[in-house]
Amino acid sequence: KQEVTQIPAALSVPEGENLVLNCSFTDSAIYNLQWFRQDPGKGLTSLLLIQSSQREQTSGRLNASLDKSSGRSTLYIAASQPGDSATYLCAVVPTLNAGNNRKLIWGLGTSLAVNP
Amino acid sequence: ETGVTQSPTHLIKTRGQQVTLRCSSQSGHNTVSWYQQALGQGPQFIFQYYREEENGRGNFPPRFSGLQFPNYSSELNVNALELDDSALYLCASSDDVEQFFGPGTRLTVL
Repeated sequence: KQEVTQIPAALSVPEGENLVLNCSFTDSAIYNLQWFRQDPGKGLTSLLLIQSSQREQTSGRLNASLDKSSGRSTLYIAASQPGDSATYLCAVVPTLNAGNNRKLIWGLGTSLAVNP
Repeated sequence: ETGVTQSPTHLIKTRGQQVTLRCSSQSGHNTVSWYQQALGQGPQFIFQYYREEENGRGNFPPRFSGLQFPNYSSELNVNALELDDSALYLCASSDDVEQFFGPGTRLTVL
């Protein structure tokens, strides 16, 4: 059974720091992995998607890496800003789902606070 | 903006009532998934529909049911509401690669 874990659960940093959020999964048979951002009480915004054949994806100040063999992904945020404060969730789509099922298995998220 | 919309935004019901939540997917996306997110938790997969057929279901009782329509809209129905059904309900439409989420419906059961 695929399980996703995110460390740390919460993180508080001063503005300008570079930071790394970690995601681990127990089964390396994944179709893809997505990182999402969630603001309090709001829906989910997709940040980056990494296909199983890829090693990393970049968007602006965000870089996500994927190491399937070790069951790990990291989200790197450069030069953090107060507007980056949110919960960051990692989710995987297992390849073992039958047919076209693309359900996401989620971690509990990392709550990030970037202080001015 | 993902192009995925959900209605209503907020809803308050009492125990035992029934509720219907609605989602409008991106045009051309044949797959819609529904998730339940309790406060402080990650989303939990409820079920997925592909071309109007259920295509996978999570660990939710039969009182959670759904429909998908040809016009890329879908519904989540919950019967006999319980207090623990209070959560944010998220709809996601997919192009078979990436999932795009709506803003969610916040359901409170009193």
